[in-house]
Amino acid sequence: DSGVTQTPKHLITATGQRVTLRCSPRSGDLSVYWYQQSLDQGLQFLIQYYNGEERAKGNILERFSAQQFPDLHSELNLSSLELGDSALYFCASSVSTGMNTEAFFGQGTRLTVV
Amino acid sequence: GESVGLHLPTLSVQEGDNSIINCAYSNSASDYFIWYKQESGKGPQFIIDIRSNMDKRQGQRVTVLLNKTVKHLSLQIAATQPGDSAVYFCAEASGYSTLTFGKGTMLLVSP
Repeated sequence: DSGVTQTPKHLITATGQRVTLRCSPRSGDLSVYWYQQSLDQGLQFLIQYYNGEERAKGNILERFSAQQFPDLHSELNLSSLELGDSALYFCASSVSTGMNTEAFFGQGTRLTVV
Repeated sequence: GESVGLHLPTLSVQEGDNSIINCAYSNSASDYFIWYKQESGKGPQFIIDIRSNMDKRQGQRVTVLLNKTVKHLSLQIAATQPGDSAVYFCAEASGYSTLTFGKGTMLLVSP
């Protein structure tokens, strides 16, 4: 158990809908990262938050957004969902702001868009 | 943009063999590298890391080698066990940048 908790584990929704994925980082970790993993791609970095503020952006679509709350949990919001958004979404956390330290991953949320 | 890639998508070995998984990276500014293991249905799990001021680091049954001259990273697993079967990702970062992952290598260990 990495200490990073993601909910829900599975999510099935229709195209055009909006969903929210939740992540609770390890105790003491200030950084939260979101990654997308689809069948034909590796782990694609989406966005990072550090202590409530956006720190870095990767290949995140405009339809997607995220935030980190004062208690350090984070939510990833996916809207106007398309079939191609079906993927595993992982959250990771680390102590510091940079990825130059060990990051711990959650079990992921499997999103299926039908 | 620059990316990290893997030479072999699938590696099949016998139990007890030593396994070597290779990774090429293209960002010469990268100074931190990690190997992750991902089992089916689970999130990536940290195995071992290495910084650019080192060329070798050993863990329990695993060794990571870094060759900065040719921008190559490898993961060696000694006495491979069926439980080692998983997808292995290399990832790199420079400074405070976020990790860039390769597409992964599937390791299949036969008993």
